[in-house]
Amino acid sequence: AQTVTQSQPEMSVQEAETVTLSCTYDTSENNYYLFWYKQPPSRQMILVIRQEAYKQQNATENRFSVNFQKAAKSFSLKISDSQLGDTAMYFCAFMKNAGGTSYGKLTFGQGTILTVHP
Amino acid sequence: DVKVTQSSRYLVKRTGEKVFLECVQDMDHENMFWYRQDPGLGLRLIYFSYDVKMKEKGDIPEGYSVSREKKERFSLILESASTNQTSMYLCASKWTGTYEQYFGPGTRLTVT
Repeated sequence: AQTVTQSQPEMSVQEAETVTLSCTYDTSENNYYLFWYKQPPSRQMILVIRQEAYKQQNATENRFSVNFQKAAKSFSLKISDSQLGDTAMYFCAFMKNAGGTSYGKLTFGQGTILTVHP
Repeated sequence: DVKVTQSSRYLVKRTGEKVFLECVQDMDHENMFWYRQDPGLGLRLIYFSYDVKMKEKGDIPEGYSVSREKKERFSLILESASTNQTSMYLCASKWTGTYEQYFGPGTRLTVT
């Protein structure tokens, strides 16, 4: 079984600054995906960024980037130039990659509430 | 845009009542999921369905059942609601073989 741990229940950052959210995971799988999902207040959860475990290069999506350390089982999210709209709960999640038969079950961390201050 | 809708945003039920939570998606997704979200615990998978009439237990299925009679609709059933089932319930869906799950807005259920 997989476990995902987010040790920061809450974080805050000033607008335009950079913040890093931490995530560690435990698995015996070698082929998997890692994700960061964002849940804004009273709005639907959306995917922010994903990382395939077989790729060494860290994923980047505009102001969002990850630091994926496979050996350390660490997967942090960096948000650059923070904006007020980044205020949300952020979840780290794990999915085993079983190819075409994968039903895509996600294992989530506990979540980190990020507040961006003006 | 993918749309996943849930029947209610807020629901208050009494202990022992039978509760139905419904989820509908409009993108012909084969896979559908029910999670519950609790503070400090994140999201935990209750049940999922990989096709019509097919279902599998997730990590915390006790006290719940599901129904999927049509591809677009996935129902979560609490046979006899209890106070420890007070929670936020999230539905999600996706295509088989893809990685991204699309989430509904959630139903906040209170059992008194």
